[in-house]
Amino acid sequence: QKEVEQNSGPLSVPEGAIASLNCTYSDRVSQSFFWYRQYSGKSPELIMSIYSNGDKEDGRFTAQLNKASQYVSLLIRDSQPSDSATYLCAVRKAGGYQKVTFGTGTKLQVIP
Amino acid sequence: DAGVTQSPTHLIKTRGQQVTLRCSPKSGHDTVSWYQQALGQGPQFIFQYYEEEERQRGNFPDRFSGHQFPNYSSELNVNALLLGDSALYLCASSLFRSGRAGDTDTQYFGPGTRLTVL
Repeated sequence: QKEVEQNSGPLSVPEGAIASLNCTYSDRVSQSFFWYRQYSGKSPELIMSIYSNGDKEDGRFTAQLNKASQYVSLLIRDSQPSDSATYLCAVRKAGGYQKVTFGTGTKLQVIP
Repeated sequence: DAGVTQSPTHLIKTRGQQVTLRCSPKSGHDTVSWYQQALGQGPQFIFQYYEEEERQRGNFPDRFSGHQFPNYSSELNVNALLLGDSALYLCASSLFRSGRAGDTDTQYFGPGTRLTVL
């Protein structure tokens, strides 16, 4: 079982729709959760971090965390063609020197 | 506020050669992590440096080594290059806090170094 799992996609949504990206993780002691966006040929760019169960909203983005189900998701409202990218879920366990583990990413295509 | 910088941007080497990649962390950050990202894959953790010591290491052979300097900048060295080492190498910086969750454990990535091994 992979530590962090994402559907590779592509996930295609029409412009203006809500895109829903999902991620599951295997280690229950995971403490910090991140969503990064990566355009082709570029480095990952942080979108949001979330640490507590529930929802966290930032503009058009909402991260949702459910530690009991070991599940984290990212919703993108009013999707734009510029949102077309690969979205990486990343997880960090508790502890001082813990590494961040990434999923393989979900490719999102927003169709104009 | 200077972000994470990496050099060089691109690099072409041949099998068996050695390469050194460099990273300067974001202003105020003291921890540097290195990742390898192959095409179509997520970043794979290589190692993390804090206080000039390697603190965590991923599943990479000893050919991969690193260093952190007193100014928090870091180098990644790869010896005896293989074709499979061709990838985007990413440096990420953060501020060390004793493992407690919070904004200060967020990693910010540099632009990466694209290494091609022929």
